[in-house]
Amino acid sequence: SAVISQKPSRDICQRGTSLTIQCQVDSQVTMMFWYRQQPGQSLTLIATANQGSEATYESGFVIDKFPISRPNLTFSTLTVSNMSPEDSSIYLCSVERGSRYGYTFGSGTRLTVV
Amino acid sequence: ELKVEQNPLFLSMQEGKNYTIYCNYSTTSDRLYWYRQDPGKSLESLFVLLSNGAVKQEGRLMASLDTKARLSTLHITAAVHDLSATYFCAVVNTGNQFYFGTGTSLTVIP
Repeated sequence: SAVISQKPSRDICQRGTSLTIQCQVDSQVTMMFWYRQQPGQSLTLIATANQGSEATYESGFVIDKFPISRPNLTFSTLTVSNMSPEDSSIYLCSVERGSRYGYTFGSGTRLTVV
Repeated sequence: ELKVEQNPLFLSMQEGKNYTIYCNYSTTSDRLYWYRQDPGKSLESLFVLLSNGAVKQEGRLMASLDTKARLSTLHITAAVHDLSATYFCAVVNTGNQFYFGTGTSLTVIP
């Protein structure tokens, strides 16, 4: 089963700056998913990242704000750009381990924007 | 867009009691997952339900899936404090995208 290393685990950032979150998977996967979890809320899918193509963004999320890179089959980054306090959330990456096993999640990045 | 609703959103129950969490979803899917999340932690996979009528049990938790009713249940038997957490169901659409339920915050009181 896939193991995901996500970093940083937490950060406090100034508004107007950007933060890049990294996820490294220990096996090759076709799709990686990025989620946001606002305080006390459920998880919302931001985008799906396929290697070799542009990420597919969900309604309400745009590439300029959340650029994603997927340079190979084991790695992806999500950047939160021009941050505001409303971006304070937990960000998680995820991969599918096969339909029988479901999806594995990274440990999450807790972002606080001040 | 696929919508996934859970109820209740908040649940406070005494140790030793039984209760059921419900998960309804809006479009056809034959894959449903249950996750647990402890405060400040990531998600832990509990159950994977892949077909209509599927039932899985682990310890004091039992999950079932009725794809015709678009309903899954997570039943808690004789609750203990260690079960206090937030529980999410999630459904996969035809594009292999996960959509999470609203979550049920469970507190088990001694």
